Amino acid sequence: EVQLVESGGGLVQPGRSLRLSCTASGFTFGDYAMSWFRQAPGKGLEWVGFIRSKAYGGTTEYAASVKGRFTISRDDSKSIAYLQMNSLKTEDTAVYYCTRMVVAAPTYYFDYWGQGTLVTVSS
Amino acid sequence: DIVMTQTPLSLSVTPGQPASISCKSSQSLLHSDGKTYLYWYLQKPGQSPQLLIYEVSSRFSGVPDRFSGSGSGTDFTLKISRVEAEDVGVYYCMQGIHLPPDTFGQGTKLEIK
Repeated sequence: EVQLVESGGGLVQPGRSLRLSCTASGFTFGDYAMSWFRQAPGKGLEWVGFIRSKAYGGTTEYAASVKGRFTISRDDSKSIAYLQMNSLKTEDTAVYYCTRMVVAAPTYYFDYWGQGTLVTVSS
Repeated sequence: DIVMTQTPLSLSVTPGQPASISCKSSQSLLHSDGKTYLYWYLQKPGQSPQLLIYEVSSRFSGVPDRFSGSGSGTDFTLKISRVEAEDVGVYYCMQGIHLPPDTFGQGTKLEIK
């Protein structure tokens, strides 16, 4: 059974940093791209970024709203994806979800999602 | 940029009655390989999104057959043949041709009367 478990959320002051983790199980983690989404209270889904599998260079892509502040990385030996969030702003307050990203050219989609972790940025 | 537009934004349905949600994309989702890459998700209250339908009309593992998807090009529909209480939540369509960020529609909230 595929499982994704996020951790690391919490209350943080504006300008500070936070690192989220996504621990995966039930599949060969290194074979998949991993993506992060967020959802502000009462709002829709916003894509944050993704990291390709090592087979595709392990490179990353980010939404314009977080580029330069957030960094996604992965540790395939531990089956963990990370979201390092720096210079946090109040508008980054949201539930953050990690997802398994299926990349099957020419398409992609997100077939499994974690339960989410709440990040609150407030003074 | 591709824009995904869903209608209606909310609907209230009596249990046992059908429901239908429309999704329109600003660009065709038909690829030169002949396939159309449109997906549907459901986010139940307090839960994370779950994949319902892939490539317009194929149900994901474990999805009841009361859910069906149809459409082509830029116009798509998700239908629930007989709504049940557990179907409440927000439904999202997603395009799977152009990489993010323009991925999901704004969502359609389904409530039970």
